[in-house]
Amino acid sequence: SYELTQPPSVSVSPGQTARITCSGDALPKKYAYWFQQKSGQAPVLVIYEDTDRPSGIPERFSGSSSGTVATLTISGAQVEDEADYYCYSTDSSGNRVFGGGTKLTVL
Amino acid sequence: EVQLVESGGGVVQPGRSLRLSCAASGFTFDDYAIHWVRQVPGKGLEWVSGISRNSGSIDYADSVKGRFTISRDNAKNSVYLQMNSLRAEDMALYYCARGIPGSLYYFDYWGQGTLVTVSS
Repeated sequence: SYELTQPPSVSVSPGQTARITCSGDALPKKYAYWFQQKSGQAPVLVIYEDTDRPSGIPERFSGSSSGTVATLTISGAQVEDEADYYCYSTDSSGNRVFGGGTKLTVL
Repeated sequence: EVQLVESGGGVVQPGRSLRLSCAASGFTFDDYAIHWVRQVPGKGLEWVSGISRNSGSIDYADSVKGRFTISRDNAKNSVYLQMNSLRAEDMALYYCARGIPGSLYYFDYWGQGTLVTVSS
């Protein structure tokens, strides 16, 4: 079955740049979506179609994709950005898969 | 404002059934696919099922295929998930999510979830 691989945790100090990666064999041909989930809350879409940011999402959130790796970048991370981040994508067979999630700590 | 409100969760014995509902508002409901995604508390996300805007395309995760049935009533702006033969591993918080226009694979807005507990 298809898998998306994320690092379990990333830690940065406030104001630093946080990068969260997502690896998957189908990513060269399929979009990556990124969801932010704060403790006790529902997921929120922060990046869609690899690089696009929904309205209302701060500009410090950006996405990129190269080869089999998609990356979520938070430039100048803030304390309120602490959350779990999940990538999501599909493969050529239509399997819909989330990455295992990355816990971002900002302190 | 896009709103999705799940209901119907509760405590159920293994092997029994439960029906979840997702009530939508704030957008033209019959223009969008709707998905169910679940999350065991403290664990990751798992896509469960999706239904296209006219119910013409329906898909399920292998883990629930043959036991769960998704349906929708566009007149009531609602989507349902009929869950039969429930197992301990189905215990999770179930979210409904709005699909991206024109796609049965991606989604954007999520509800707050309804908790399903499977226990004897």
